[in-house]
Amino acid sequence: AQKITQTQPGMFVQEKEAVTLDCTYDTSDPSYGLFWYKQPSSGEMIFLIYQGSYDQQNATEGRYSLNFQKARKSANLVISASQLGDSAMYFCAMRHYSNYQLIWGAGTKLIIKP
Amino acid sequence: GAVVSQHPSRVICKSGTSVKIECRSLDFQATTMFWYRQFPKKSLMLMATSNEGSKATYEQGVEKDKFLINHASLTLSTLTVTSAHPEDSSFYICSAPRTGDFQETQYFGPGTRLLVL
Repeated sequence: AQKITQTQPGMFVQEKEAVTLDCTYDTSDPSYGLFWYKQPSSGEMIFLIYQGSYDQQNATEGRYSLNFQKARKSANLVISASQLGDSAMYFCAMRHYSNYQLIWGAGTKLIIKP
Repeated sequence: GAVVSQHPSRVICKSGTSVKIECRSLDFQATTMFWYRQFPKKSLMLMATSNEGSKATYEQGVEKDKFLINHASLTLSTLTVTSAHPEDSSFYICSAPRTGDFQETQYFGPGTRLLVL
């Protein structure tokens, strides 16, 4: 069965520290994509970063990087130098290339402390 | 990134009325759009896949006659909550994948908060 697991319901991190949000996935399909989205209290879903199953290198987008460990089926999001504005819900999602549908994790609520 | 708009952002209605929510892709065409429902502090729950020019595909447990979906053009999908009741109160959010992107990222509208009194 296809599944995304985020084991951290909530995290508190000191401002300027790096933070790692965990995500593991389960699939038997060799072709898939992994996404991270940020949802602030306003509700909008903001795309952060993408990793394809065949990508050789870990994806990076500014302060965001994805620690992709294919053998362990993990796709952790790393936020460097956290900022107060990073406080939000973070969702990991997986897409199979047979359709556009995303399978979502339960989310992690990240709170950055000043 | 691509832009998806959603209207209205908030709506309060009386029980028994119908509410229409619009989802538009502003700078790209979307043959497929998705409608989600999100309860407080929960993840997104896919309700249906909206297909331009054909019937929507509903997820198991979602009432087709309750949640009417119309994908009239390549940039517009609408969700109508018919005869709304308090239990339909929720956050509804749409998304559209931008075909042509290698990764086909889904871009989300800002969401609609529905409160049925």
